[in-house]
Amino acid sequence: EPEVTQTPSHQVTQMGQEVILRCVPISNHLYFYWYRQILGQKVEFLVSFYNNEISEKSEIFDDQFSVERPDGSNFTLKIRSTKLEDSAMYFCATATSRGNEQFFGPGTRLTVL
Amino acid sequence: GESVGLHLPTLSVQEGDNSIINCAYSNSASDYFIWYKQESGKGPQFIIDIRSNMDKRQGQRVTVLLNKTVKHLSLQIAATQPGDSAVYFCAETPPGNTPLVFGKGTRLSVIA
Repeated sequence: EPEVTQTPSHQVTQMGQEVILRCVPISNHLYFYWYRQILGQKVEFLVSFYNNEISEKSEIFDDQFSVERPDGSNFTLKIRSTKLEDSAMYFCATATSRGNEQFFGPGTRLTVL
Repeated sequence: GESVGLHLPTLSVQEGDNSIINCAYSNSASDYFIWYKQESGKGPQFIIDIRSNMDKRQGQRVTVLLNKTVKHLSLQIAATQPGDSAVYFCAETPPGNTPLVFGKGTRLSVIA
């Protein structure tokens, strides 16, 4: 069964450093999302991406965040200068079309020290 | 603001019993709802979905009920098994948007 994959599974970084989280979507999916989940809290939407551009973003997704699909397969989330409060699980999700079931990856645990 | 919430943060059931997990949503215009299961250390896993033009949908051992009058969503799990132990999230999609709005989650513990 096709699945969304994410790398790394765990990233530890120093405050102020840049991190790049990677996602490989299911091959025929066209809509891509990033969500985050702070420990013990609910899953929160960050950004959606379609046709090589951001379609929606939340207030969490500020200038420190960016997304791209550099090579037509990987979908990346970059945090330019990490803060302690960026520590969370980051989930990539993909869907065949808007409003359809989103398939989630296993997540990347980001720890900012 | 709009929100999705859960009535019960934890639920313990005996193996073999039926489980009911409830969710209240506040955006009456939401037209798509999903239940996700999240096991420890893993991403949310789709269980079942329902659109606003339906009030009930059944899957394998699971049933989702939607009551638009009171903006209530429930997940029923028949013959609960130890493997059902997880955190369950409801999520809604407001019209015109694609991102899911998640509730905080209910932890289901199955007692063998």
